[in-house]
Amino acid sequence: QSALTQPASVSGSPGQSITISCTGTSSDVGGYNYVSWYQQHPGKAPKLMIYDVSNRPSGVSNRFSGSKSGNTASLTISGLQAEDEVDYYCSSYTSSSTRVFGTGTKVTVL
Amino acid sequence: EVQLVESGGGLVQPGRSLRLSCVASGFTFDECAMHWVRQAPGKGLEWVSGISWNSGSIGYADSVKGRFTISRDNAKNSLYLQMNSLRAEDTALYYCAKDNGHNFDYWGQGTLVTVSS
Repeated sequence: QSALTQPASVSGSPGQSITISCTGTSSDVGGYNYVSWYQQHPGKAPKLMIYDVSNRPSGVSNRFSGSKSGNTASLTISGLQAEDEVDYYCSSYTSSSTRVFGTGTKVTVL
Repeated sequence: EVQLVESGGGLVQPGRSLRLSCVASGFTFDECAMHWVRQAPGKGLEWVSGISWNSGSIGYADSVKGRFTISRDNAKNSLYLQMNSLRAEDTALYYCAKDNGHNFDYWGQGTLVTVSS
């Protein structure tokens, strides 16, 4: 049950697009279309941003999008805004019927 | 409105036990799987345990297997986590989270567990 690998930090200028990667194995990310992404503000509970690789819950901005290729999933934030400067985590269902989170990525808006 | 309210956290000595509770409202609790997720101070999210709607399927992270027990009482709309043989590395904010088909669509605000002598 090793954590999924995310870059510790990603940065971009306002209006730009950034992509956060989430790398696992064929037993988790690569084996199922059950990758989700969470946004977490300091001191707050995580918020679901993307589920089942590329679906957005109602109310989530369409600036957020998800995709997957092989054992790596990605979250793209387009039109980067100052309010996007928080932490992001991916999560996947696993072959053991458990769940695993990514190591987390801090987004910085330059 | 979906609400998840955790309780039961606190300061506990290593080796002792603690029981966390999560009371749910605003959705049909007995139709949903539920999970516990924790976050150590300044660290990332870690899935701890999950339980299906009827308690028929239960899973644990390797880090807590054999020490923690998840359970639920659908009549009371409540989720529990019995934590035994606590260690310093179990110190974290423990979140209760609702499952929406392989993702966590609602989270509580968490209850803090501190394991220290």
